[in-house]
Amino acid sequence: DVKVTQSSRYLVKRTGEKVFLECVQDMDHENMFWYRQDPGLGLRLIYFSYDVKMKEKGDIPEGYSVSREKKERFSLILESASTNQTSMYLCASSLQGTAYNEQFFGPGTRLTVL
Amino acid sequence: ILNVEQSPQSLHVQEGDSTNFTCSFPSSNFYALHWYRWETAKSPEALFVMTLNGDEKKKGRISATLNTKEGYSYLYIKGSQPEDSATYLCAFYYAGGTSYGKLTFGQGTILTVHP
Repeated sequence: DVKVTQSSRYLVKRTGEKVFLECVQDMDHENMFWYRQDPGLGLRLIYFSYDVKMKEKGDIPEGYSVSREKKERFSLILESASTNQTSMYLCASSLQGTAYNEQFFGPGTRLTVL
Repeated sequence: ILNVEQSPQSLHVQEGDSTNFTCSFPSSNFYALHWYRWETAKSPEALFVMTLNGDEKKKGRISATLNTKEGYSYLYIKGSQPEDSATYLCAFYYAGGTSYGKLTFGQGTILTVHP
């Protein structure tokens, strides 16, 4: 059974803290993605990775960085959390060829920055 | 950033009604269109990946059509059931420019089916 897991369902952090969101997939997928979802805005791509140690900026990378040291794990890092980063964060993975392969999503992490 | 529009934003129907909603996307440089269903407290799940103009896909009571020349896709649900209540997302794959291709999602259509 295909699975994408995220380290936390709910997270509360303070402004200025460094925040790590972890995502692990067990499908041997090449591609991994981080999105954030805000009301009325749909899913917006933050970063994606098509291979180990490779990363590409998405539409809203500012304030975020990522790390992919192993194929199965993709981390999203908020270097200094701010209140405007309060959001739902979704991780996804897919086989190579983003156009033609469906993405498999994790359950999401709802992050609140106070 | 590309514009992918979904309409309506929300929809309330009675159990047994059939319904449909629209995803509009740029018609140039088309590669693929994805449909996902996102139920509350669950992960989004893929419904369809559509690549060919005129494509029609079906999964149970849900079907989708694709018109790449005019830039739209319709999702149909026949005989809606309360378990169909979810947010339906479409996503357009674009590979123009210098960056790797990626999916751009619409804002979603929230469907509520009342018993």
